[in-house]
Amino acid sequence: QVQLQESGPGLVKPSQTLSLTCTVSGGSISSGSYYWSWIRQPAGKGLEWIGRIYTSGSTNYNPSLKSRVTISVDTSKNQFSLKLSSVTAADTAVYYCARGGSRWLAYFDYWGQGTLVTVSS
Amino acid sequence: QSVLTQPPSVSAAPGQKVTISCSGSSSNIGNNYVSWYQQLPGTAPKLLIYDNNKRPSGIPDRFSGSKSGTSATLGITGLQTGDEADYYCGTWDSSLSGWVFGGGTKLTVL
Repeated sequence: QVQLQESGPGLVKPSQTLSLTCTVSGGSISSGSYYWSWIRQPAGKGLEWIGRIYTSGSTNYNPSLKSRVTISVDTSKNQFSLKLSSVTAADTAVYYCARGGSRWLAYFDYWGQGTLVTVSS
Repeated sequence: QSVLTQPPSVSAAPGQKVTISCSGSSSNIGNNYVSWYQQLPGTAPKLLIYDNNKRPSGIPDRFSGSKSGTSATLGITGLQTGDEADYYCGTWDSSLSGWVFGGGTKLTVL
């Protein structure tokens, strides 16, 4: 059973960079033709896809966030990471990592529990 | 403003049936697979339906999905109080080259 766990600071100051890591257990991040994605959800609002990475390192980002987002993968640690720069209060949300994001394996079948990141001074 | 349009809320009595619609365009629903997610309060979303109408292992057949043109529908029969949750549709958008979700629908089982 694949499991994902987000980790990182719960509080980030405005204008700084949000950094989160997702650790995958119960299977290799390199096995199968899967993408690995970050998705966020502001309190009381819907889901927003942030971006995805393939184990080759190939990435795609939400156009609305593209200028501020970097997703990377470390296959040796079975982890992938998110960096979001120049954050504002609008970036306050629960951040989820998930397996999926392909157009063809078109679903997110495993999710982390989510981690709340608050942007505040 | 979400790319995919869902009704904000639906409600029905226990044991009844409810449907939740998800409307998009040719760049998303019209030419890509749709998946549905259930989000119980305070928890992460859970995959309910994938490839428009397939259920992952462990999802009861009370949940069904369909797609026609640029719209998709989630159906839930034999409603239970435990089905009260937010439901989201999602799909790939070929114009955006990214994933898009509906705004979510809150199901109340009266």
